[in-house]
Amino acid sequence: DAKTTQPNSMESNEEEPVHLPCNHSTISGTDYIHWYRQLPSQGPEYVIHGLTSNVNNRMASLAIAEDRKSSTLILHRATLRDAAVYYCILRVPKAAGNKLTFGGGTRVLVKP
Amino acid sequence: NAGVTQTPKFQVLKTGQSMTLQCAQDMNHNSMYWYRQDPGMGLRLIYYSASEGTTDKGEVPNGYNVSRLNKREFSLRLESAAPSQTSVYFCASSVGGGSYTEAFFGQGTRLTVV
Repeated sequence: DAKTTQPNSMESNEEEPVHLPCNHSTISGTDYIHWYRQLPSQGPEYVIHGLTSNVNNRMASLAIAEDRKSSTLILHRATLRDAAVYYCILRVPKAAGNKLTFGGGTRVLVKP
Repeated sequence: NAGVTQTPKFQVLKTGQSMTLQCAQDMNHNSMYWYRQDPGMGLRLIYYSASEGTTDKGEVPNGYNVSRLNKREFSLRLESAAPSQTSVYFCASSVGGGSYTEAFFGQGTRLTVV
């Protein structure tokens, strides 16, 4: 599976935006970029995904570089509830079962 | 709407004991997965089932077996538990059929082997 690289941790102040980078230089043309987050003591939950164009939903925005070798998850106004580990994942269409392969993720700390 | 339900939530086993972790989803999903998460680490795929009737090994299958009982249920069995299998186990499901679909996770089973 193609790999992603994320910073180990990031800090943000409450109500400020958070930009979480992800590098995926070996991405293939049909790989989807997925983001999940894991709150303390919970299972991962879906945040957003995209292929080529930038995407917005109620939780976050996903900005994808033109060459698709990197992407950025944007939390527009961080709240204390957004403190979690955020995983950037490439979902490979030809992989049987469309499995998700997790990396180490970025631990986000939100300061009040 | 329950989503993905795992039982039990907590379990303590002695080395050499066996147990089965249960997972059920009510979303009519085709694909189901079992992951383990060791402290401070990301999730690692143990086994997955792309569709009813099929199972395949993931990254760390040794010491585990799985059964896709029907479309709803996917169980994970530890035949002879070892301390190295102390971990949090997560079950997940997705519609399948495309890498654009999202996966849904259960709340996890925290297993300690002593």
